[in-house]
Order: sequence, then C-alpha cells, then structure tokens
Amino acid sequence: DSGVTQTPKHLITATGQRVTLRCSPRSGDLSVYWYQQSLDQGLQFLIQYYNGEERAKGNILERFSAQQFPDLHSELNLSSLELGDSALYFCASSVQGAVGSPLHFGNGTRLTVT
Amino acid sequence: GENVEQHPSTLSVQEGDSAVIKCTYSDSASNYFPWYKQELGKGPQLIIDIRSNVGEKKDQRIAVTLNKTAKHFSLHITETQPEDSAVYFCAASDLTGGGNKLTFGTGTQLKVEL
Repeated sequence: DSGVTQTPKHLITATGQRVTLRCSPRSGDLSVYWYQQSLDQGLQFLIQYYNGEERAKGNILERFSAQQFPDLHSELNLSSLELGDSALYFCASSVQGAVGSPLHFGNGTRLTVT
Repeated sequence: GENVEQHPSTLSVQEGDSAVIKCTYSDSASNYFPWYKQELGKGPQLIIDIRSNVGEKKDQRIAVTLNKTAKHFSLHITETQPEDSAVYFCAASDLTGGGNKLTFGTGTQLKVEL
C-alpha cells in the first residue's frame, strides 16, 4: 500500500457531465500529481501541486482543473466530459516537489464516460 | 519535452531466468530515471530508481543500469518468480516547464511462466 488514497475507485457518467476525483497524499508528502492512463496514450502527466500552489502543468485540457487544499488533499475536476475522457486517473505524491523526488501512486479512479 | 521509448512491449520468461527491459530517452539533461511495476487493478509502484551521477544500482534481484552517453537505461530482474509478472514502466525526468514531471515509456508486459 503506497499510502496515497483515491476516491472513488470507479465512476460511470454520461457525456457532458462533470465529476470530481479526490486524492489524499501520503502522510508528510507536500506535493501532489495527477496522471491520466489510457490504452492509446499511456501514462500522461496532467498537473503538479506543491503545498497548495501549482508547480507544473502538462497537457491538461481546459475542461479539466485541479487544486490542492490547505490540508494537502487534492481534487481533479473534469467537466463537459467526452467519451475520450474515459481512462484511469492516478494521483501520486512526493515529499518534495523538485526533480528527482520519488513519486508514490494511488490505485486510481477508473472513469467511464458513456 | 522528453520522449521515452521502451522495449520490448511483451516479454515472456521461464521462472528462474533473467529479464531485461530497455529504455531510451531523448533529453540529455534528464537526470532521474525511476522504474515502476503495475499489477492489475493497482497503481504503479516504484521499484527502483537511478540518478544521472550513478551508472548502476542494485536492490536484491533488481538492478538498473544507465548509459548517459547513449541515453539509455535498463532494468534487470534476476531469478524471476511468478509474482514478478506485471507491467513495468520506465520513466525519465522531464525538465521542461519546471516541477517534477516524469515522462513514461509505453510499458512492458512481463510474464513469468512456471
């Protein structure tokens, strides 16, 4: 068990809807990351937060947004959902936010858009 | 940004044999190279990592080698066991845009047969 908790485990929703994925980092970790895993794109970096502030951004769609709260948990909001957004969404955390700080992943949220 | 290629995509070995997975990266400035193991229904689990100032690192049956000149790194698993069966991902630090981003390879499905 990595210590990173993601809820819910599964989510099924319709196109056009909005969902929120939640992540609690490992105790003591200050940085949180979101990755998307799909069959055709592999593991893709979306966004990183460090102690509440955005630290780095990947190819995150404008329909997606995230934040890290003062208690360090994070939420990823996905809106105007499309069929192509169906994927596994992983949260990871690390102690520091700098290059080379090892990432520890949660078990993901499987999102199905119908 | 960084680009990581991983080979082979599938690998089948007999129990007790060795397994080798190879990755190449594109950005000579990358300096951190972790390997992850992903079992079905779980998130990627960090199994070993190496930094650019080191050529080889070992942890029991697992070793990683790094050739900075050629920009490639490899995972070696000796005395394979059925529980080693999983998907393995290599990754390299992506230094563009700051933060602690990782670019992942496309994964290797390792099957250890009895």
